[in-house]
Amino acid sequence: DGGITQSPKYLFRKEGQNVTLSCEQNLNHDAMYWYRQDPGQGLRLIYYSQIVNDFQKGDIAEGYSVSREKKESFPLTVTSAQKNPTAFYLCASSKQGQAVNEQFFGPGTRLTVL
Amino acid sequence: AQKVTQAQTEISVVEKEDVTLDCVYETRDTTYYLFWYKQPPSGELVFLIRRNSFDEQNEISGRYSWNFQKSTSSFNFTITASQVVDSAVYFCALSEVLSGGYQKVTFGTGTKLQVIP
Repeated sequence: DGGITQSPKYLFRKEGQNVTLSCEQNLNHDAMYWYRQDPGQGLRLIYYSQIVNDFQKGDIAEGYSVSREKKESFPLTVTSAQKNPTAFYLCASSKQGQAVNEQFFGPGTRLTVL
Repeated sequence: AQKVTQAQTEISVVEKEDVTLDCVYETRDTTYYLFWYKQPPSGELVFLIRRNSFDEQNEISGRYSWNFQKSTSSFNFTITASQVVDSAVYFCALSEVLSGGYQKVTFGTGTKLQVIP
């Protein structure tokens, strides 16, 4: 079945450590996105990518980095520069980065900083 | 800048009641798209409906219906005869195209719906 997978489901990090969240899709979608979800704040865009080897900062990119070396993969690294990384992270993809297209979401990764 | 407001943070209804989730949006664009997504306790958002800014027809899909009113910048979602399985967080979202052709989606803060048996 086509879809988006994210791993791990739960992730614990010590302060000062970098961690990488995985996102893979087999929907053959061009565009991929990373969102952060905090209680009561909805989803906020971290980074997005329309094609391989290209990505753009979203609204809250500070302290995060991404890569898009393959169409299927869009990993997110949470660096030690991110001051408050504890949150629920959602990866999404869409056919193309056009306004008409709905986004398909993965199951999310819950990151907790100890 | 575009903005989506879901003023209802949490709603509780008894099973079989009807419930309406409100969504008000702001945008300067003349062409845009509105979406509703459902987020069950498992966490994964599920697409429910898309509506473009030129189509103000209301839509019904089973127990779900949507009322798009451009004059009031609202895109409300009604669940008829609610069921326990409808318990979830519902997000309204607004999509526009930025310069360079990139899609930008702005989500509301969500409405948590609890259907009590």
